[in-house]
Amino acid sequence: GAGVSQSPRYKVAKRGQDVALRCDPISGHVSLFWYQQALGQGPEFLTYFQNEAQLDKSGLPSDRFFAERPEGSVSTLKIQRTQQEDSAVYLCASSWDRNQPQHFGDGTRLSIL
Amino acid sequence: SQQGEEDPQALSIQEGENATMNCSYKTSINNLQWYRQNSGRGLVHLILIRSNEREKHSGRLRVTLDTSKKSSSLLITASRAADTASYFCATDAKYYGNNRLAFGKGNQVVVIP
Repeated sequence: GAGVSQSPRYKVAKRGQDVALRCDPISGHVSLFWYQQALGQGPEFLTYFQNEAQLDKSGLPSDRFFAERPEGSVSTLKIQRTQQEDSAVYLCASSWDRNQPQHFGDGTRLSIL
Repeated sequence: SQQGEEDPQALSIQEGENATMNCSYKTSINNLQWYRQNSGRGLVHLILIRSNEREKHSGRLRVTLDTSKKSSSLLITASRAADTASYFCATDAKYYGNNRLAFGKGNQVVVIP
């Protein structure tokens, strides 16, 4: 498909486990964003990549959160030693250029037990 | 923290009626965008209005922007049952310089057939 693809769609993990969430952006999109969306709330910015460079990670809530985009396409968001408050939907978005609309994937719903 | 705040947060209307949502923000912006989110899905971009624009139309959508009041409105005319969704405004603040979006809490719109 031509859209942003995220996997898995659902992830259940026990508290303390590590998880990895994958994002396949639209081919050729330079900018990639990760957002966290709590139930009933709007998305909140986590981090931004321009190609492979992580230019803004100021939204990451703690040092347990780590994101990478090594070849400037696929990105992975990793959460170490998960806690219950990490339960949320994690959304990935990509855009062609800095001043273009962002295209969102359907997200990964993460539940920490 | 989220910058945009929509008002009202829940709206129930009959099919064929118009729906209006408002959004306020706090900082200088490059642009303001409106997104739609169906339950369990990602966000779909609806319309982008730049800071030097006052009004924009796209199909049944009309967006206004008042930078002096730091507010925007989204009007959906002749609503359809398929318009049932959550609607978010998002601002691209000049402060960050990387097009990260700050979302409001969203409006839940229900269109009754």
